[in-house]
Amino acid sequence: QSVLTQPPSVSAAPGQKVTISCSGNSSNIGNNYVSWYQQLSGTAPKLLIYDNNKRPSGIPDRFSGSKSGTSATLDITGLQTGDEADYYCGTWDSGLSAGRVFGGGTKLTVL
Amino acid sequence: QVQLQESGPGLVKPSQTLSLTCTVSGGSVSSGGYYWSWIRQPAGKGLEWIGRISTTGTTNYNPFLKSRVTISVDSSKNQFSLRLSSVTAADTAVYYCARLTWFGGATFDYWGQGTLVTVSS
Repeated sequence: QSVLTQPPSVSAAPGQKVTISCSGNSSNIGNNYVSWYQQLSGTAPKLLIYDNNKRPSGIPDRFSGSKSGTSATLDITGLQTGDEADYYCGTWDSGLSAGRVFGGGTKLTVL
Repeated sequence: QVQLQESGPGLVKPSQTLSLTCTVSGGSVSSGGYYWSWIRQPAGKGLEWIGRISTTGTTNYNPFLKSRVTISVDSSKNQFSLRLSSVTAADTAVYYCARLTWFGGATFDYWGQGTLVTVSS
């Protein structure tokens, strides 16, 4: 059972927009920055978004993040078949799960 | 460009100790402002943070693994290591090493490619 809650799967057609949610509480998302990671099949996770809404160099602006209260959201616009991957949110937790915590991951299928 | 590479046995017997090393290139494990972490992922499952070590050797571990985990750093070799004792089949996973950077918050900005460790007799 992951500390952060993500939908197991989302899907959309190429060119469309998809939103992936990440829900936590006041000991994690509510008081810490959120990052997002993309994991293509058989590869290591890759940083996609950090500090809630910042993109590392090389990440296209089709990927955007936001945070409100104890939830965070990853938006992907102009979907491409190459975006098909697992997406994980992560943050710091200062409660019982003290340390770095992740969501359970969301499988994005581009139809 | 920072690169990380995990190495170590791919098969460990139950009750024994899993030992992995992460070699860092393109950067120094002694550079201030960074932590060096281990994360694992069982097949078909999500990511689990194992722990981190600072450049000064300060460690923090996942509370659920704390009693079995030791992370250390060897600046002379530009490496950091993971030891996980008393392993069981539940410890079978792909193990990743990663650099943890504090921008506003904790972020894993560089990852190794991962190494599969199977616990089996």
